[in-house]
This record gives sequence, C-alpha cells and structure tokens, in this order.
Amino acid sequence: NAGVMQNPRHLVRRRGQEARLRCSPMKGHSHVYWYRQLPEEGLKFMVYLQKENIIDESGMPKERFSAEFPKEGPSILRIQQVVRGDSAAYFCASSTDLSGLNQPQHFGDGTRLSIL
Amino acid sequence: AQSVTQLDSHVSVSEGTPVLLRCNYSSSYSPSLFWYVQHPNKGLQLLLKYTSAATLVKGINGFEAEFKKSETSFHLTKPSAHMSDAAEYFCVVSTTSGTYKYIFGTGTRLKVLA
Repeated sequence: NAGVMQNPRHLVRRRGQEARLRCSPMKGHSHVYWYRQLPEEGLKFMVYLQKENIIDESGMPKERFSAEFPKEGPSILRIQQVVRGDSAAYFCASSTDLSGLNQPQHFGDGTRLSIL
Repeated sequence: AQSVTQLDSHVSVSEGTPVLLRCNYSSSYSPSLFWYVQHPNKGLQLLLKYTSAATLVKGINGFEAEFKKSETSFHLTKPSAHMSDAAEYFCVVSTTSGTYKYIFGTGTRLKVLA
C-alpha cells in the first residue's frame, strides 16, 4: 500500500517561472493538506482540499499560489512567478474521511523547491 | 485558538540514556495531540497520537507520551535512546473541528551521542 507520493522530490526554478508540485494521496484518502516548511522552522498549514473542493485556504498567500484536487489525478500546488522567498520544502498530507474522528494525517516526503 | 510550544530546540543524549522532549499546548477544547518524527530530507512519520482516550499513549519505536491536562503538557519520552532516534521531532495539535488542520511546534532536534 503506497504512501503519500509527492513529485518531484526536488525542483529548481528561476525567479519569475512557475512551479507545479504534485501529490497523490494514500489509497482511500479523500482529504489532502499542503504545508510549507521554511529552513529551521516547523510546518505551516497552507490549504485543505477534498475532491474538487477547496475547504480551507486560510494559510495560502493571497497572490501567486493556488491549489486544486481534481476528480481524477493528483492534487496540484501551483506557484506562479516564483520569488526567492518561495524556497522551502512543501509537504502534502492525506487522511481518510474525518467524520469527527480526527484521523491522523500521513505525510509525503516533500518537494524541496529552490529558486535561483 | 490552539498552539503548541516545544521548549527545547536541541536536545543531546548519550546512547542508552532516557529521552525527554517537552511540549506544552494551548487549546480551548479537549485537544488532539500528535508527535511526528522527521529524518533528514524525509517526510514526517507519526510516532503516536492522543485523542482523549488513555492519557499515557504508547507509540512506535519505544516512544510514549503522557497527556497532563493540569499542566497542559504532552511530553515525549523513551527509556533508552538509540542512534537511529537522531532526528527532528514535532509536537502537533489539531484543530478540533472543521478542517482538523495541524498546528506544528517549532521542532526539537535530537542528537544521540555514541
């Protein structure tokens, strides 16, 4: 049973380019979360999605960042016109249907984004 | 609003000695608390979780944590450290309704000395 799969593991972009980060949740998981980890810091919540719906994007920067989780295919975190400050590790996590049971989130290995 | 504070950014122990990683939380409601471990350039692995059942929670790799409501603490312990325990450890509180998003502590880097 494969875990949460993120790709690419490492991504290098020049300032002004676009970055696309992909996340395939664990089998049977319909809830996806994205977190960002800056160097020497903990993870910060960005966005929570269910299939085809953004449920909570309170942690997303207002500009340049977007996320989707289509009916078919992986969840995508998209960063347009990247800047040096976007350099970070981006982690995706997934969980089962919550139903108030607070199921733990399972994390991928992350995508390390470097901006030149 | 929920928050967590990890009291030590770095902890060093000798192999075979006990480990104590401290975490205090703040929550208006009965919290759900987790400990995760992160090895270099890897994702996060769940060590254990507290969700209002037993206050002493046993996790993987010999780790356990005790939920103390009176002290608002959820410290992580292990009787005997192993070299492979060297990693970053995160204490996490989950929002108790709505999206159940995670709020992370700043992490404690555990170093195990031979």
